Amino acid sequence: QVQLVQSGAEVKKPGASVKVSCKASGYTFTSYYIHWVRQAPGQGLEWMGIIHPRGISTTYAQKFQGRVTMTTDTSTSTVHMELSSLRSEDTAVYYCARATVTIEYYLEYWGQGTLVTVPS
Amino acid sequence: QSALTQPASVSGSPGQSITISCTGTSSDVGGFNYVSWYQQHPGKAPKLIIYDVSNRPSGVSNRFSGSKSGNTASLAISGLLPEDEAHYYCNSYTSSSTLVFGGGTKLTVL
Repeated sequence: QVQLVQSGAEVKKPGASVKVSCKASGYTFTSYYIHWVRQAPGQGLEWMGIIHPRGISTTYAQKFQGRVTMTTDTSTSTVHMELSSLRSEDTAVYYCARATVTIEYYLEYWGQGTLVTVPS
Repeated sequence: QSALTQPASVSGSPGQSITISCTGTSSDVGGFNYVSWYQQHPGKAPKLIIYDVSNRPSGVSNRFSGSKSGNTASLAISGLLPEDEAHYYCNSYTSSSTLVFGGGTKLTVL
């Protein structure tokens, strides 16, 4: 069965960077795009970006341009999302999600989420 | 890219039907048929329930249906059940080749 297992919770200081990992299993890793979505406490979903499974292309939401980097490691079927220059507003649960087989615009399978806390 | 506009909350009684709207622009909802809906229960990851405006993934109840008119998409839920109580989010592809979510709607089943 398809599984996306994310790395554990993080607490980071303002100005630092955080790298969240998402290990995929149960399907052919190189055949499906991966998205990243975040959700601040009590707030809605916010799309951050998408990466080709071989890492050959990325598209980031304008809000995160220059601060986010998404990469893949096909040898371990793992996707990473690094967010830099952290501020308190970046406190959120970060989700990775695998796209559907037919088109990359839909998020079909989700990780369990990783809480990143940036104290003010 | 601004978030799509959804009502903050809707409510209905068991067995009733409700509709949740999702309003965007010609650069997102109105310009493409790549609209999807997600259901999220508290403390859980979201679940895809509608894609391509009106298609349901395998295993999703046919009580859920989607539609679109102009710049507004809609999610309808018929025969409300207590387990339908959740947050619902619309999502659309945009002319910038990005995705954008709606602000979310809390559905309360009275």
